[in-house]
Amino acid sequence: GAGVSQSPSNKVTEKGKDVELRCDPISGHTALYWYRQRLGQGLEFLIYFQGNSAPDKSGLPSDRFSAERTGESVSTLTIQRTQQEDSAVYLCASSLARASIYNEQFFGPGTRLTVL
Amino acid sequence: DQQVKQNSPSLSVQEGRISILNCDYTNSMFDYFLWYKKYPAEGPTFLISISSIKDKNEDGRFTVFLNKSAKHLSLHIVPSQPGDSAVYFCAASGDGGSNYKLTFGKGTLLTVNP
Repeated sequence: GAGVSQSPSNKVTEKGKDVELRCDPISGHTALYWYRQRLGQGLEFLIYFQGNSAPDKSGLPSDRFSAERTGESVSTLTIQRTQQEDSAVYLCASSLARASIYNEQFFGPGTRLTVL
Repeated sequence: DQQVKQNSPSLSVQEGRISILNCDYTNSMFDYFLWYKKYPAEGPTFLISISSIKDKNEDGRFTVFLNKSAKHLSLHIVPSQPGDSAVYFCAASGDGGSNYKLTFGKGTLLTVNP
């Protein structure tokens, strides 16, 4: 069965450019999460979507970051005017049903973003 | 300010021996703890979890121990196998109403030598 997929797998961009990262969750998973992992750090929570509820954006580090999700499917994370500090692996995860710690989060392979 | 700490960046053990990975946390609101395993170029995969109402959970070769008073948990792998070589992340949740947010440690790279 298909797992969580992310594209592109790698993205190199110049400082100041905008980038869009895509996540396809597992079919039927209503919850979707974005995390990032900077070099030598743990995963940092960015944003959470659950069905048609308002997303929890509390982890987004600045207003240059935004994310959208179409229904219960694809999500895109957009970073505007990228900075070198945005360089990281961006990971997407999905899980069944509503927010619950008992719903295992399934992660995609990540997008490695490098800002020159 | 790291709320979940994995103080050992790496650990090397011999095949067949026990691997013990440690994790400390500072937030007393955490009530659920998870271990994820990550291979290079792949996303983390769930390994085992424990609720704060328990002090031990076992699944095959993997056992997680929780010491709430010390705010410490550990993952034991017995016997260790070369395929267990990966980065292991400790994660915690349960901080107030946002129990879906996982707070991760920096990870420990486990190498199991044949």
